[in-house]
Parts: sequence; C-alpha cells; structure tokens
Amino acid sequence: DQQVKQNSPSLSVQEGRISILNCDYTNSMFDYFLWYKKYPAEGPTFLISISSIKDKNEDGRFTVFLNKSAKHLSLHIVPSQPGDSAVYFCAAIGFQGAQKLVFGQGTRLTINP
Amino acid sequence: EAQVTQNPRYLITVTGKKLTVTCSQNMNHEYMSWYRQDPGLGLRQIYYSMNVEVTDKGDVPEGYKVSRKEKRNFPLILESPSPNQTSLYFCASSFDSGVNYGYTFGSGTRLTVV
Repeated sequence: DQQVKQNSPSLSVQEGRISILNCDYTNSMFDYFLWYKKYPAEGPTFLISISSIKDKNEDGRFTVFLNKSAKHLSLHIVPSQPGDSAVYFCAAIGFQGAQKLVFGQGTRLTINP
Repeated sequence: EAQVTQNPRYLITVTGKKLTVTCSQNMNHEYMSWYRQDPGLGLRQIYYSMNVEVTDKGDVPEGYKVSRKEKRNFPLILESPSPNQTSLYFCASSFDSGVNYGYTFGSGTRLTVV
C-alpha cells in the first residue's frame, strides 16, 4: 500500500510562474516530511523539510505547506526557473523510526521558457 | 568533497551470479540506507543501518543482504540475483537520521539481471 502518493506524474509550467507540486499521505503518524529533487543520471538531492507541528517552511524560492487535517503537503516554487526542471519526490518519516523514509512516486516538472 | 560513492554505475549480470554493489561515504555519517527506484513506485527502502554492526530491514529486503563493518562502507549483496531485481539502486547517508538535513544520495547503480 502506497503510504505517500504523488498523483501527478508530470507538470509543465512557464518560466517565471509558480510551480505547485502536491503530495498526499495516509499515515497520520508521520513526523517529518521532505522534498527531494532528482536530475537524470544523478541521485536525489534534499530540498526542504517540514515538521508535522508546523504548517509552513520556507527556503528561498521554495516553500512547503502542510495540511495535517487533509493529510496533504505541497511544494511551491516561485519563480520557476529552467534549472528547476527535474523529478521531485516527497517523502515522510514516521512512527517506524527515523530510518524509515517513505517516498512518493515522483512528479516530473518541466519549466518552459 | 562530501559525497556518497557507489560502484559500479552500470552492471549487467546473469541470474544466480552473486554480486556486490559497494557504497562508501566520507562524511562520517552514522545513518546509511539502500533504496531501489522503479517506474511508478518511487524509491523503496531495502535496508538501513544506524551504526556499525546495526542493520535492519526496510520495505523490500527480500533477496538482498547488507553489512556494516565500518562506518564509511555499506555494501549491498545480491546472493542469487533474479530478473525482478533489475532496477536503479541508490545508497544514501545522513548525519541526523535525515530529518533536518536530508539524506545524501549516491549517483546510483543501474543493475540489469538477465
């Protein structure tokens, strides 16, 4: 059973506009949520995280929002740049121990000039 | 440069022939983990280790073994590879269990079992 789901396999956004990537989860015991970015032929790189006790965390152009009641988180990228084109994975850490990092399926973001 | 190094990057092997994928990190991280990435499934954890001689199963451990004899190394062993283990494998390490700084991932090993 997929505990962390990214229902949009792909997303296309114009350069300079806002990119919004979504993620849903089923397990209310998750403590932390993270976003990773992955370029082809490279490993994922950590972007930003948020604790379950917060509803927003911001780092430069990247903001993660958490809605616990809806079991939903989103990553906002403003403004979107061509270098943001990549696959984005959301992930969660929960009650099974901090080592149990559970990933979603990923969303391929394409930024169009 | 702080990094996680996996070898080999690409490997084609035959069913049943034992293989080892090596992973080494130079950041003195305590936490290390192996993942496999498959289309439509994202990354799934195979095994993880919280320190030397401390390892535990992830979500898809069947057919894999690991060892953590030294802090920097965390090899993944396939004793008898099968075609369903054809996948992209990533090793990762972290200082603080991945919560605040995330995991640092290697560049991946693409394994094909024929």
